[in-house]
Amino acid sequence: EAGVAQSPRYKIIEKRQSVAFWCNPISGHATLYWYQQILGQGPKLLIQFQNNGVVDDSQLPKDRFSAERLKGVDSTLKIQPAKLEDSAVYLCASSPGSGIGNTIYFGEGSWLTVV
Amino acid sequence: GQNIDQPTEMTATEGAIVQINCTYQTSGFNGLFWYQQHAGEAPTFLSYNVLDGLEEKGRFSSFLSRSKGYSYLLLKELQMKDSASYLCAVAGYSTLTFGKGTMLLVSP
Repeated sequence: EAGVAQSPRYKIIEKRQSVAFWCNPISGHATLYWYQQILGQGPKLLIQFQNNGVVDDSQLPKDRFSAERLKGVDSTLKIQPAKLEDSAVYLCASSPGSGIGNTIYFGEGSWLTVV
Repeated sequence: GQNIDQPTEMTATEGAIVQINCTYQTSGFNGLFWYQQHAGEAPTFLSYNVLDGLEEKGRFSSFLSRSKGYSYLLLKELQMKDSASYLCAVAGYSTLTFGKGTMLLVSP
């Protein structure tokens, strides 16, 4: 079974530039998550989708971050304009069904460095 | 909201046993997960507890006490490859919130 796919794996941009990350979840998984993980910290939830609807985006900095999940499958996360403090790993994850007790599976992450 | 506390770092020697504690406060509870994360890699699932008690899976065991808001991950017969960050995560009403992780260093 293929895992969660993310691209690009690594990205270096200058502050005030924009960047987009793509995620393809495990086939059949209804729930998709984007987490931000700053070095030395645990993952912080940015946004959670159930199919193509948003369940929670309370910690998404909406003035610069946006995310969509068209057709309830793939998702993109965009940052515009980027700030230095956005340097982090952006982890996409997915889980089957809608129950919060379902195990979530992570992709390898997209590493962003803002200079 | 949710608040999750776990130690920042722990050290242990190969072959030993180590217990990593996690305490939490949450407004809703649908279980507690433990994930392992090696440096530069994504977190991988270790265990899930939703009822009180001990869940054993090979060298790893996880314990939960819902009344105390407490869990621990027990690692036996430590190996060098167990050096990693261990993340405690609490499932609330609809989302999963992670602690900051405990960095475990296993030395020879």
